[in-house]
Amino acid sequence: KAGVTQTPRYLIKTRGQQVTLSCSPISGHRSVSWYQQTPGQGLQFLFEYFSETQRNKGNFPGRFSGRQFSNSRSEMNVSTLELGDSALYLCASSMTGTGSSYEQYFGPGTRLTVT
Amino acid sequence: AQSVTQLGSHVSVSEGALVLLRCNYSSSVPPYLFWYVQYPNQGLQLLLKYTTGATLVKGINGFEAEFKKSETSFHLTKPSAHMSDAAEYFCAVRTRRNQFYFGTGTSLTVIP
Repeated sequence: KAGVTQTPRYLIKTRGQQVTLSCSPISGHRSVSWYQQTPGQGLQFLFEYFSETQRNKGNFPGRFSGRQFSNSRSEMNVSTLELGDSALYLCASSMTGTGSSYEQYFGPGTRLTVT
Repeated sequence: AQSVTQLGSHVSVSEGALVLLRCNYSSSVPPYLFWYVQYPNQGLQLLLKYTTGATLVKGINGFEAEFKKSETSFHLTKPSAHMSDAAEYFCAVRTRRNQFYFGTGTSLTVIP
């Protein structure tokens, strides 16, 4: 099976712009989660989508949003970019089932730099 | 709320020495536990996981971890460190509500 793919791998944006990142989960995985990773804050959970619905949400401002399509592919959007949004954005997919032990499989990430 | 604590943000060991990376979690109900490894500019790769059953879990690359409920710990070990083990290691907990919590990570340096 192909792994989790994320596009683009690298992105440079200017403050105030918006950006959309894409994630394709492993075939058959219906849960997709997004994380922000920075040297100072570590891995921080953004949100999780399952069957096109946001199931869990982290503590990020409303500028961060996401969605999931019927084929389980997911996008996250950041509007009005700030310098502090520079980070590695990781997408992870897992099989379904609340209460299951299924692990998350991570993509290689999108490195976003805001100038 | 669930939390995961990794003691020691940086650990250095000599090549061939024992690797011990510590992880403690807070939970009244044993959750699902994971260790992930991250190499530079890459995503996280699953090393091993604990779900139920045997408390000593074996993973890839010679790593293993022991779940100790009484200590709420899930420490990662490897008998003999290799240069290729140098990476960032993350401990994670998954609750029964499908929420993942990650530790802040431990950077492992292997000295030749």
